[in-house]
Amino acid sequence: GQNIDQPTEMTATEGAIVQINCTYQTSGFNGLFWYQQHAGEAPTFLSYNVLDGLEEKGRFSSFLSRSKGYSYLLLKELQMKDSASYLCAGEDSNYQLIWGAGTKLIIKP
Amino acid sequence: GAVVSQHPSWVICKSGTSVKIECRSLDFQATTMFWYRQFPKQSLMLMATSNEGSKATYEQGVEKDKFLINHASLTLSTLTVTSAHPEDSSFYICSASSLGLDYNEQFFGPGTRLTVL
Repeated sequence: GQNIDQPTEMTATEGAIVQINCTYQTSGFNGLFWYQQHAGEAPTFLSYNVLDGLEEKGRFSSFLSRSKGYSYLLLKELQMKDSASYLCAGEDSNYQLIWGAGTKLIIKP
Repeated sequence: GAVVSQHPSWVICKSGTSVKIECRSLDFQATTMFWYRQFPKQSLMLMATSNEGSKATYEQGVEKDKFLINHASLTLSTLTVTSAHPEDSSFYICSASSLGLDYNEQFFGPGTRLTVL
């Protein structure tokens, strides 16, 4: 079956670094998305990884290992506004997105 | 670019009535639109996928006669919740994607919060 696993909740301190992991099993695999969703709002796109390796985009970086079915989102220099849910979604060979349940990130001062 | 709007942003209705939610892609042609439902503290649940000019594909467990989806043009899709009941109260989000994009990124509307009394 198809499945996306990510931690339910994480807590980190303002200014620190946090890594949110995601493992996936999909029917075929095209790529992996990360979205950010603040409470009561629609998700916003963060990144899309197709190739193995780390892609950096400002304070946010995303990593993919296709052989391991594994990805992570790395957030640096955490700010209070980064408190949100982070959704991992794998894209299968039919271009369907398989969504994880989301990781709620709590930032403490 | 790639802006998706939804209307209304929130709606309160009485049990048994029908509610229509519009989803529009404002600056691109959306070949595919998706409708999601999200209950509090839960992840997005895909309800259906619609391609312009064809019938929507519903996910397992979603009643197609209750959640009517129309995708009549490349910029507009509508979701009608028929005979709404309190258990239909949820956050409904649409997203749109286009074949012209480099990858299958979905652009999300702001969502519609439906409360059925």
